[in-house]
Amino acid sequence: DTEVTQTPKHLVMGMTNKKSLKCEQHMGHRAMYWYKQKAKKPPELMFVYSYEKLSINESVPSRFSPECPNSSLLNLHLHALQPEDSALYLCASSQDLADNEQFFGPGTRLTVL
Amino acid sequence: GQNIDQPTEMTATEGAIVQINCTYQTSGFNGLFWYQQHAGEAPTFLSYNVLDGLEEKGRFSSFLSRSKGYSYLLLKELQMKDSASYLCAVEVLTGGGNKLTFGTGTQLKVEL
Repeated sequence: DTEVTQTPKHLVMGMTNKKSLKCEQHMGHRAMYWYKQKAKKPPELMFVYSYEKLSINESVPSRFSPECPNSSLLNLHLHALQPEDSALYLCASSQDLADNEQFFGPGTRLTVL
Repeated sequence: GQNIDQPTEMTATEGAIVQINCTYQTSGFNGLFWYQQHAGEAPTFLSYNVLDGLEEKGRFSSFLSRSKGYSYLLLKELQMKDSASYLCAVEVLTGGGNKLTFGTGTQLKVEL
């Protein structure tokens, strides 16, 4: 299994909602990443987890809360988002932090109303 | 911080060769990746250069000059399916581990 899966594919939420994005990989990778990508822009790193511990937080607002419950799963909890947070949220994984060949999931297209 | 530059758009003819350039200025440079991204899809890995020189992989080759802060991706025998965005990504060493910073991407259009 060389795939990173993400659910849901699409999500529409209001500014008062709480929702979660999920990411899963079964490649035995120990590093997992969240990126945000706006239209016609490159992916921007948000968080990095290494061996289930938060390794990098790129000064992301607290309305985004990552969680890594085990080595295969990565969640992104969303609360009180703003319309400008609408974007494609990409999850990626790599063997570990020293191996930066990252495998990307298909992304969750998020719209905040 | 990092500064990564790529052309915004390029157009080429099916069967031709195209070179997409990337220049960067960064501290803690460890290597450079090229990714391909079709519209609405996830980026997919194409190549990784850490030493100076050319890496060849089928129709795709990538070159790196660390001293010049310069890389290019060479695509040969272009096919229509090569129409996509090509992202140059610089790998830097940080206290928290290696991380990637992507350039703005080059939108390649392959025409008949």
